[in-house]
Amino acid sequence: QIQLVQSGPELKKPGETVKISCKASGYTFTDYSMHWVKQAPGKGLKWMGWINTETGEPTYADDFKGRFAFSLETSASTAYLQINNLKNEDTATYFCAKGGYFDVWGAGTTVTVSS
Amino acid sequence: DIVMTQSPATLSVTPGDRVSLSCRASQSISDYLHWYQQKSHESPRLLIKYASQSISGIPSRFSGSGSGSDFTLSINSVEPEDVGVYYCQNGHSFPRTFGGGTKLEIK
Repeated sequence: QIQLVQSGPELKKPGETVKISCKASGYTFTDYSMHWVKQAPGKGLKWMGWINTETGEPTYADDFKGRFAFSLETSASTAYLQINNLKNEDTATYFCAKGGYFDVWGAGTTVTVSS
Repeated sequence: DIVMTQSPATLSVTPGDRVSLSCRASQSISDYLHWYQQKSHESPRLLIKYASQSISGIPSRFSGSGSGSDFTLSINSVEPEDVGVYYCQNGHSFPRTFGGGTKLEIK
C-alpha cells in the first residue's frame, strides 16, 4: 500500500540543525509532488511549501524562506526537510504529504526545541 | 494569499445529527477545495477532494458541496468516531492555505 514513513522525534537546542526524512513506498516517487506541513502544539495546519520530485525544485511559503530546506534522495524515494538555526517557535509536528490534494500523509515528526 | 475562513470554530452535536461545516475563501477558487479530518494525535486524512469528489475508503455519510468561494462539508448522521478537527484547504493556488479548522464534539 502507499505510505509515507517519517523519521522519529527530535529534541534539539536553539541554534542547532535538524533534518527530517519522509520515505515513500507503494507508488512511483517522481510522479507526485511532496508537500510539507507544520502543526505547532494545539494549533492548526500550516503549509510550508513543496518540492517537485521530478526536478528537485523546492518552493517555500513566505514564512519558511531562509532557514528551511527541502531536498530529495530520489534513488531512495525519500524527501527531506532541514531546519537550520532552530528557534523555540520551530517546536512542532512536521508532516509530509503526497500529491496535489494530499491524499497520503506521513505520521508526523515532532521536533522539540528547548535549551 | 487566499485566506480560508471556517465556521463555526466548534460544533457540539448529538450522534445521528446531520451537520454542516462551512468554509469560505477570500477569492474564487472554483472547485479547488479539499477537506481533511484530523483526529486527536493522528495525521490528517483526506475526506473530499475538489469540493465534492468522494475518496475511496471514506464513509458515504461525508459529502461536500460548493464552488467559487463558499463550500460546505456535510456529515449525514454523525457518529461518535467523527470527533476531531476538520480543515478545508485552498487547492487553487500557492500558498496552499488551510482554514483554521472546525472542532467537532459529541454531546
